[in-house]
Amino acid sequence: DAGITQSPRHKVTETGTPVTLRCHQTENHRYMYWYRQDPGHGLRLIHYSYGVKDTDKGEVSDGYSVSRSKTEDFLLTLESATSSQTSVYFCAISNSQETQYFGPGTRLLVL
Amino acid sequence: AQSVTQLGSHVSVSEGALVLLRCNYSSSVPPYLFWYVQYPNQGLQLLLKYTTGATLVKGINGFEAEFKKSETSFHLTKPSAHMSDAAEYFCAVSLPGTGANNLFFGTGTRLTVIP
Repeated sequence: DAGITQSPRHKVTETGTPVTLRCHQTENHRYMYWYRQDPGHGLRLIHYSYGVKDTDKGEVSDGYSVSRSKTEDFLLTLESATSSQTSVYFCAISNSQETQYFGPGTRLLVL
Repeated sequence: AQSVTQLGSHVSVSEGALVLLRCNYSSSVPPYLFWYVQYPNQGLQLLLKYTTGATLVKGINGFEAEFKKSETSFHLTKPSAHMSDAAEYFCAVSLPGTGANNLFFGTGTRLTVIP
């Protein structure tokens, strides 16, 4: 997985609670991304980062926020989790305008 | 706007048969094109990509794809399916020169290989 770890790998939480997912890379890549994967939708971009403290919204950013205080870490926060945010979340990294490398994913269940 | 269409959410082939997974795209500029594979409970792994140059690109595990601009297609093929090819395959497009080079994915095709 190209030096990418995600934590936790699995999480069950309740509606209305805050949740933070972490992506950590050891590749010193500039760009980092958060996607969610849902049946019938493929992967959809939530937020991305093009440098420390530089982030922007993706296609499905509502209800999510991100932070990147260090090159190696990109955090995804669900301020108040909802059942519609039950999904598998993938982090990706890239160092050019070409290939993205994906982490192993985090399965989130919101009850 | 850019989009990716994968025809067939499920494809079944016999072991040893040809694998053909279809991908069509729409894009306002010449795109970069990718195929990723996802095995159960794993992340996505790059199979192959087209950026510039030769339109027939070869990837890992015997897969290849051909960029056909006139047909806006990037179909994935493998001459002889193996049981280990059973997985979900995603076609994706990005637009070079558009900042962080965000990927837009198709909805995926699940490949089943029948012994």
